[in-house]
Amino acid sequence: TQLLEQSPQFLSIQEGENLTVYCNSSSVFSSLQWYRQEPGEGPVLLVTVVTGGEVKKLKRLTFQFGDARKDSSLHITAAQPGDTGLYLCAENNNNDMRFGAGTRLTVKP
Amino acid sequence: NAGVTQTPKFQVLKTGQSMTLQCAQDMNHEYMSWYRQDPGMGLRLIHYSVGAGITDQGEVPNGYNVSRSTTEDFPLRLLSAAPSQTSVYFCASSSYKVYGYTFGSGTRLTVV
Repeated sequence: TQLLEQSPQFLSIQEGENLTVYCNSSSVFSSLQWYRQEPGEGPVLLVTVVTGGEVKKLKRLTFQFGDARKDSSLHITAAQPGDTGLYLCAENNNNDMRFGAGTRLTVKP
Repeated sequence: NAGVTQTPKFQVLKTGQSMTLQCAQDMNHEYMSWYRQDPGMGLRLIHYSVGAGITDQGEVPNGYNVSRSTTEDFPLRLLSAAPSQTSVYFCASSSYKVYGYTFGSGTRLTVV
């Protein structure tokens, strides 16, 4: 049973455009992480958010944790081809990390 | 600092064969996990360990065994390979779960 819903599933945009991807759950997150995965590689941690309403920035990437800690978003400003990849959100549950299915982003030059 | 090392990178098995996927980390992390990744399914947890000598089942444990005799190593054993186990397998480790996992580069397994 997948606990995390990510949307959209696929996204294809032109270089320079802005975009937002989402991660939602019916239950409260204790903490949430975002990863980026490139083809043939394992996921790489981008950020961890813990506090409701928290906003973190990583260069052109802005991560927001919902006030109720049931949702999170990742906004990319002026996307570049190097941003292409699979973006995964993950929830820290009692046993281990549970992952969403991801948003596959393609940024065309 | 090698991080998390998985071997082999690619493997083809015949149905019914057994094999062990190796995972080693050199960061002295307590937490280690195995995931499988299938198209459209995301990463699903197979087994995990919170320290040497302690393992537990995840979401999809059937057909797999693990052991954790040392902090560094966490091998995943396929007992009798089936085509349904065709997937990409990732090993990951963490010092503290809330800080996130470090992943290996994966093993692509095909069972024919």
